Amino acid sequence: EAGVAQSPRYKIIEKRQSVAFWCNPISGHATLYWYQQILGQGPKLLIQFQNNGVVDDSQLPKDRFSAERLKGVDSTLKIQPAKLEDSAVYLCASSSSGWAAFFGQGTRLTVV
Amino acid sequence: DAKTTQPPSMDCAEGRAANLPCNHSTISGNEYVYWYRQIHSQGPQYIIHGLKNNETNEMASLIITEDRKSSTLILPHATLRDTAVYYCIVPGGGTSYGKLTFGQGTILTVHP
Repeated sequence: EAGVAQSPRYKIIEKRQSVAFWCNPISGHATLYWYQQILGQGPKLLIQFQNNGVVDDSQLPKDRFSAERLKGVDSTLKIQPAKLEDSAVYLCASSSSGWAAFFGQGTRLTVV
Repeated sequence: DAKTTQPPSMDCAEGRAANLPCNHSTISGNEYVYWYRQIHSQGPQYIIHGLKNNETNEMASLIITEDRKSSTLILPHATLRDTAVYYCIVPGGGTSYGKLTFGQGTILTVHP
């Protein structure tokens, strides 16, 4: 079974630029999560989708972050404009039921 | 979400059992306990979950106390590759249904 695919693996951008991350969940998984993990901290949930509907986006900074899940499958997370404090690893995860989620390798973002 | 409390760090000798405790005194009757781990530079990995009965799989065992206010994750024969941050999570119910909230976790170091 293929795992959760994320791209790119690494990204370096200047502050105020925009960036997008892509996630392809495990086939058939209805739930998709995006997390932000700052160095030394646990992952922080940004947004959770159930199929293509948003279940929770209470911690998503909506003035600069946006996310969508096309046709209930792939998802993109965008930051515009980026700030220095957005430097982090962005993790995508998916699950079919319950909370046994499978995580991708993440995208490491550095904002300079 | 029920709050969980874990020790910040633990050590274990290779080949010995690693017993990682977690307190979740505010857990409600229908809430599960989930365990994840995160090896350096990788995404979190689901380990095991349980409701009230003890559970075992190929990775670990989960012991939940009768009052369900605490649990212990047991790695029966720890190896160096088990060095990771271990997270105990009680996903929320009600309006926060299905919310995987990661805390600081326990840093487990397995030494030769």
